Amino acid sequence: GQSLEQPSEVTAVEGAIVQINCTYQTSGFYGLSWYQQHDGGAPTFLSYNALDGLEETGRFSSFLSRSDSYGYLLLQELQMKDSASYFCAVNGQNFVFGPGTRLSVLP
Amino acid sequence: ETGVTQTPRHLVMGMTNKKSLKCEQHLGHNAMYWYKQSAKKPLELMFVYSLEERVENNSVPSRFSPECPNSSHLFLHLHTLQPEDSALYLCASSQDRPEWGTSYEQYFGPGTRLTVT
Repeated sequence: GQSLEQPSEVTAVEGAIVQINCTYQTSGFYGLSWYQQHDGGAPTFLSYNALDGLEETGRFSSFLSRSDSYGYLLLQELQMKDSASYFCAVNGQNFVFGPGTRLSVLP
Repeated sequence: ETGVTQTPRHLVMGMTNKKSLKCEQHLGHNAMYWYKQSAKKPLELMFVYSLEERVENNSVPSRFSPECPNSSHLFLHLHTLQPEDSALYLCASSQDRPEWGTSYEQYFGPGTRLTVT
């Protein structure tokens, strides 16, 4: 079967750096995506890794290690508006989402 | 209108009712998806359509019936639902289904909040 694991909650203060980890077990793996979802909103795409290494997009970076079936999302210079749920998703035969990590950014 | 739209945004229905959810994408995408999002559960993929052909049905009860009349529209027909079916139903689209070397991001609609009484 396919399964993904993420921490359920993370709390950090404004200006800090936070890392959200994701481990996965799946077949037919093409890459790992990350999505952000604010309360009451729809998930929105943040980043995608097909190859090992770090991808940087502004304050957000995402890392993948295919040999370890592991990835993480790194959020720098946290802002209050970053408070949301973050989902990793395996791009395989289809998309399979992780359980989500709720990030709370405190002033 | 742009992106992915869903109607209605909120729906309350009894267990004996029949209703339909509608999704429309204005992005020219070839793949469309229905997801169920319940409190404290991961997004559950329900159905996948690629070029109007259903390619996946993830063991979804027959009381949920999808329809894809063309590449821009997707429906989810509901009948004799149970209270545990209350959830946020999200529609999404992507250029194509996932494949190696291509980051086909999914674009989600705002969802339909369904309550079954």
